[in-house]
Amino acid sequence: GNSVTQMEGPVTLSEEAFLTINCTYTATGYPSLFWYVQYPGEGLQLLLKATKADDKGSNKGFEATYRKETTSFHLEKGSVQVSDSAVYFCALIYGGSQGNLIFGKGTKLSVKP
Amino acid sequence: GAVVSQHPSWVICKSGTSVKIECRSLDFQATTMFWYRQFPKQSLMLMATSNEGSKATYEQGVEKDKFLINHASLTLSTLTVTSAHPEDSSFYICSLLGQGPIDEQYFGPGTRLTVT
Repeated sequence: GNSVTQMEGPVTLSEEAFLTINCTYTATGYPSLFWYVQYPGEGLQLLLKATKADDKGSNKGFEATYRKETTSFHLEKGSVQVSDSAVYFCALIYGGSQGNLIFGKGTKLSVKP
Repeated sequence: GAVVSQHPSWVICKSGTSVKIECRSLDFQATTMFWYRQFPKQSLMLMATSNEGSKATYEQGVEKDKFLINHASLTLSTLTVTSAHPEDSSFYICSLLGQGPIDEQYFGPGTRLTVT
């Protein structure tokens, strides 16, 4: 079946450190891939997305590339800030699902000044 | 994007009672809303898809008679947890489906339910 696996947290980094959160997926067909972010006390927000192989989603300094050969969609940021502290969810939608998102378990990121 | 609110944000109830959670779209008419459940350190699990004016579609393993969903208007969907038990304690999150080319969802802030 369709599933998403992302690295377990929590992840603690110092400000300006490089961030990678790994995400791999299993899906039939060609899903669309997403990263959502949940800041403390808020709802999930779409961070970035990619709809086909080799697409790169980017937003707020974060990037992720849809790698079909490795079925991965790793999230990266070159220099994190304290304000990036949040929980990050990798997710996919498989075709024809009417928006049925399948989420990974989430990775909590804490950035220290 | 759309703004989604949930009420209440936090509720404690006794076993056997029922609790209603509201999900409102503040600036968008949503024909489709989703209800998710999130356990601590776990992923969001889709419970049901709520379509305005019709019966909700429940995921496998979700009891439709226990989790009553009503999507009576384009801006409001409600989830009622009936005869709640401690194992129903969880974080309940709603979202609505946008109308862009990608199936983007807009999420509410969630409701923390604790059943004692």
